[in-house]
Amino acid sequence: DGGITQSPKYLFRKEGQNVTLSCEQNLNHDAMYWYRQDPGQGLRLIYYSQIVNDFQKGDIAEGYSVSREKKESFPLTVTSAQKNPTAFYLCASSSGLAPNEQFFGPGTRLTVL
Amino acid sequence: AQTVTQSQPEMSVQEAETVTLSCTYDTSENNYYLFWYKQPPSRQMILVIRQEAYKQQNATENRFSVNFQKAAKSFSLKISDSQLGDTAMYFCAFFQGGSEKLVFGKGMKLTVNP
Repeated sequence: DGGITQSPKYLFRKEGQNVTLSCEQNLNHDAMYWYRQDPGQGLRLIYYSQIVNDFQKGDIAEGYSVSREKKESFPLTVTSAQKNPTAFYLCASSSGLAPNEQFFGPGTRLTVL
Repeated sequence: AQTVTQSQPEMSVQEAETVTLSCTYDTSENNYYLFWYKQPPSRQMILVIRQEAYKQQNATENRFSVNFQKAAKSFSLKISDSQLGDTAMYFCAFFQGGSEKLVFGKGMKLTVNP
């Protein structure tokens, strides 16, 4: 079955530690996205990538880093520089072309202890 | 910059009733697309319906339909015969042709009561 997987579903981190969230898709999509969702809030774009080996900052990129070495994978690293990392993180992918319908993974809940 | 506004943060409806969720957007372009996404308690984002701006006919998907008013920049979602499984956050989203990203509204929490 085609889709997007995110792992782990729940992640706990101590303050000061970096942590990497996994996102893999087998939809053959060129574009991939990372969003952050806080309680009762909408989705805020962290980073996105339109093509392998290229990515752009979204609206809230500070304290995060990404890589896009493979078409299928777009991991997100939450660094110790991120002041308030506890949140729900969603990964999405799309063809990158209009209408740019995005397909979402199940999400990762990150909690900083 | 394009903006998407969902002015109603929360609504509730009785099972089997019809409910309408509102969304307005701001753009000066003609080539764009509008979406409604649903996020149930599982938090999985699911596409509900899509509307192309160049189409005059309102999109329909089973119990879900939209009222697309291009001149008014309004894109409301109507859910008919509401079911308990419709309980979710609903997000309106906008994509402009030639851009690189979706713009989401802040969402609206819908509760369907038995």
